[in-house]
This record gives sequence, C-alpha cells and structure tokens, in this order.
Amino acid sequence: DGGITQSPKYLFRKEGQNVTLSCEQNLNHDAMYWYRQDPGQGLRLIYYSQIVNDFQKGDIAEGYSVSREKKESFPLTVTSAQKNPTAFYLCASSITEEAFFGQGTRLTVV
Amino acid sequence: QKEVEQNSGPLSVPEGAIASLNCTYSDRGSQSFFWYRQYSGKSPELIMFIYSNGDKEDGRFTAQLNKASQYVSLLIRDSQPSDSATYLCAGGAARQLTFGSGTQLTVLP
Repeated sequence: DGGITQSPKYLFRKEGQNVTLSCEQNLNHDAMYWYRQDPGQGLRLIYYSQIVNDFQKGDIAEGYSVSREKKESFPLTVTSAQKNPTAFYLCASSITEEAFFGQGTRLTVV
Repeated sequence: QKEVEQNSGPLSVPEGAIASLNCTYSDRGSQSFFWYRQYSGKSPELIMFIYSNGDKEDGRFTAQLNKASQYVSLLIRDSQPSDSATYLCAGGAARQLTFGSGTQLTVLP
C-alpha cells in the first residue's frame, strides 16, 4: 500500500533529551513537510524539503532539526532547545500543493 | 505574512441540514485551496480542493471560491453525525500550504 508512515505513534521525552520522529513515504513524492499542531489550533510548518539533500525552515523551526538523505525519508529531531515540545506532529508529502498526511506522532514531555 | 482565517466555531447543525464553513485568506498569490477533515486525535484527510473561481461539487460537498473577495467556503449537504469533525481550510502557493485554525462541526442526531 502506498502511503506515509510515521513512528512512533506516541513518544515521551524527558526534559533535556533529544528525540527523533520518523517519517517514511513510498508515494515517490519529491516534497515532504513537518507540521506541529497544538490543541484547538491549526497546523504550523516546522520544516519542509522539496528535494533530497535540501530543506528549508518553516514558521517555527527553532528547536528542531531535519535531514533528507533519501527521497523516502524525512526524520525530525526535537532538540532540548525546544522548550515546549508537547504537541501532535504531522508529516506530509506532496507532488503539488495537495498534501497527504501520515498518522501523526503525539509527543509528551514528562 | 500569509494568513488563513476560519471561524473556530463550534458550529452545530441538525442531521440532514446544510453545514456552511467559511474561510478567508490574505495571500493573493495563493492559487489552490483545500478542505481537510480531521477527526479528534487523527490526522487530516483531504476532502475537497478547488483552483478556479466558482463552485465545485463532489457528492454532498460543494467548495466555493471567490478570488476577488479572497473567500473560500465548504457546504455539506444532508449533514450526518459522521461529519462531526474539525474542518481545516488551507491555501496553497509554491508547493506550500498555509492552514487556518479549523472549524469544529457537530452534527446533532
């Protein structure tokens, strides 16, 4: 089945830890995106990549990092510099503007 | 700054009624518009997209776009309880989407 797979579904982070969220797609899409969603809010863009080995900051990139070494993969690292990381993280991919989403990772700081 | 504004609701309609969801956008460079439905705790799923002025119908859903007024709407006819969700409007330009904060819709049986 073609689609976007995010893992894990739930993730718990201790204060001061870095954690990495996985995103893999087999849709052969060039562009991939990471969004953050807080309760009752829309989606805010963290990072995006339109081609392998290239990525751009979105609106809220501080405290996050990404890599795009393969077309299929776009992992997101939430660093200790992100002071309020508890949120729902969504990965998406697209060919045009129409974005297809993974199932999301819910990150909680404990 | 690109902005997409939606009434946050909540919006409640009785089963069988028409639900009307509205959205305005600030970026005149936006060429395409999308409506996503998001159930609680789930990821958004695309239900409609529209590129041209006018109406676009797909089953019970009709999207309307007025570029002069920078206004997008979604009509849901014969609303069902299963339509209860948050509806996100998004404007697209240069392969990026800007999302509104969503409108929470409840369809009452």
